Amino acid sequence: EADIYQTPRYLVIGTGKKITLECSQTMGHDKMYWYQQDPGMELHLIHYSYGVNSTEKGDLSSESTVSRIRTEHFPLTLESARPSHTSQYLCASSDFRQAFFGQGTRLTVV
Amino acid sequence: KNQVEQSPQSLIILEGKNCTLQCNYTVSPFSNLRWYKQDTGRGPVSLTIMTFSENTKSNGRYTATLDADTKQSSLHITASQLSDSASYICVVSDRGSTLGRLYFGRGTQLTVWP
Repeated sequence: EADIYQTPRYLVIGTGKKITLECSQTMGHDKMYWYQQDPGMELHLIHYSYGVNSTEKGDLSSESTVSRIRTEHFPLTLESARPSHTSQYLCASSDFRQAFFGQGTRLTVV
Repeated sequence: KNQVEQSPQSLIILEGKNCTLQCNYTVSPFSNLRWYKQDTGRGPVSLTIMTFSENTKSNGRYTATLDADTKQSSLHITASQLSDSASYICVVSDRGSTLGRLYFGRGTQLTVWP
């Protein structure tokens, strides 16, 4: 059983609102990732982190931002949500052998 | 160009039949290769992980193979069940000193019919 948690699981929010998607893991992993996935499509890396105070943008350009103040916590923030941000967001963490994924947050911006 | 290519893109088989999914990669330096199963609307769940020195790994009805020389992997599913219907994703990790980044294939969508 993977100890990585995302909240909320589902979120419907109006355009222009600020939102934060939470991701926490209790495995002590240094590496954490955020992926964006549209229905039936591949996962796209939008942010990753090597450890505390280390964050990098991924392959897919995203208007979201992330922070890594604590090892176990890797929140993703959208300052002003738009309908184009509607998607599923998956958080993952890994050590040198294994990666674990959260259940995802399905975001709908109306 | 994606560094991890999977085939076929989608596959439909009858319950009880076997199938094989393919993964070719160009990621270098190579660290490990993982196969994940992703049910619709859920996060991916790991099936197998193989390092450079391993060429086969089994997990129940799932058997993964790896040829690090040709940079190819396959996932063989035996005696398929309806619950095997999902997307199967090949993920390769590089051996960068600080990164160990994950490279994802687009996945193979498997549908098992009764």
